[in-house]
Amino acid sequence: KQEVTQIPAALSVPEGENLVLNCSFTDSAIYNLQWFRQDPGKGLTSLLLIQSSQREQTSGRLNASLDKSSGRSTLYIAASQPGDSATYLCAVTNTGNQFYFGTGTSLTVIP
Amino acid sequence: DTGVSQDPRHKITKRGQNVTFRCDPISEHNRLYWYRQTLGQGPEFLTYFQNEAQLEKSRLLSDRFSAERPKGSFSTLEIQRTEQGDSAMYLCASSYDYAGDEQFFGPGTRLTVL
Repeated sequence: KQEVTQIPAALSVPEGENLVLNCSFTDSAIYNLQWFRQDPGKGLTSLLLIQSSQREQTSGRLNASLDKSSGRSTLYIAASQPGDSATYLCAVTNTGNQFYFGTGTSLTVIP
Repeated sequence: DTGVSQDPRHKITKRGQNVTFRCDPISEHNRLYWYRQTLGQGPEFLTYFQNEAQLEKSRLLSDRFSAERPKGSFSTLEIQRTEQGDSAMYLCASSYDYAGDEQFFGPGTRLTVL
């Protein structure tokens, strides 16, 4: 069974810093990987989706990379803002049908 | 609003009662997923539909859980004889027709079993 780990579990940074969130998975034969953001008590918002054939995806201040062979992905957030405070989750799928989520990284950006 | 909607947003019930949740996906989306999320954990996959067909179910989905998607539009998730361990956020997501397509999540239904 695919297992997804996210490190660190929590992160606190001052506003304006660049930061990196990590996601690792045990079965490298993935179909794709998706990064989400979740605000407290809310549903998930999709941030970036990386297909297994891709190395990275960018959207605004966010950049996600994928190293399938080593079972790792990183989410880079540039020039962090207080509005970025949320829990960030990564999810992988091997079949395109069943998705496995990590436990998330809780990010706090201090003004 | 054309996003995924879920109803109710909150449900409090007594142990042993049956509960039913509804999910309305984005109208053009053929795939619909149900997840369960407990505090401090990531969502756990429960089941998914392609149109009206339920194609995959997790082993987490015990016999007390049943999901339907009549006519391939909205979906319902029913839990019979609820237990305190069923307390969680139940999330619904939808996507287009392709495997691994980007998922769009609803706001979730928070279930509390007393």
